[in-house]
Amino acid sequence: DAGVIQSPRHEVTEMGQEVTLRCKPISGHNSLFWYRQTMMRGLELLIYFNNNVPIDDSGMPEDRFSAKMPNASFSTLKIQPSEPRDSAVYFCASSRQGGRNEQFFGPGTRLTVL
Amino acid sequence: AQSVTQPDIHITVSEGASLELRCNYSYGATPYLFWYVQSPGQGLQLLLKYFSGDTLVQGIKGFEAEFKRSQSSFNLRKPSVHWSDAAEYFCAVGALRDDYKLSFGAGTTVTVRA
Repeated sequence: DAGVIQSPRHEVTEMGQEVTLRCKPISGHNSLFWYRQTMMRGLELLIYFNNNVPIDDSGMPEDRFSAKMPNASFSTLKIQPSEPRDSAVYFCASSRQGGRNEQFFGPGTRLTVL
Repeated sequence: AQSVTQPDIHITVSEGASLELRCNYSYGATPYLFWYVQSPGQGLQLLLKYFSGDTLVQGIKGFEAEFKRSQSSFNLRKPSVHWSDAAEYFCAVGALRDDYKLSFGAGTTVTVRA
């Protein structure tokens, strides 16, 4: 079985550019999570979708960040415009019923904003 | 809100020696508890989880953890460490009320010396 798929694995961009991160959850999972990992703040939940609907976006840092889930097999996290402080590893995770069950993590996208 | 503390930032252990990683949580009710492992450049993989019942839980890769309510702890142990266990380990707590949310500790990096 394919796990959670994320693309790209690495992204280097310049300040002010738009960045789009992509995620394909495990088939049959109805919950999807976007996390950000930095040395300073550790692992933070950015947004949680259930059945393609955003349930909790309280972790989204500011309006420059947006996330969509147009269907059960695809989600995007967009940063526009990007800033150097957005540099981090962004993880996507999915699960069958939310936090009580195991969250399966993708390999992450390492974003560097110059 | 729930929170997790992992007191040890970095632990070095000899191959074949035992390993114990500490985790303390703060939560007003019975929590859901998880241990994840992150190998370099990889996503997080679930080692084990506790929801209820037997307070000693077995996980993958020979790991186990014990839930101690009186100490608000969920320490991870392995009797004999292998070089492949070198990784970062995260303890996480889930809340019954928002059962999708996981609060992660800052992580403990384990180095295994030959």
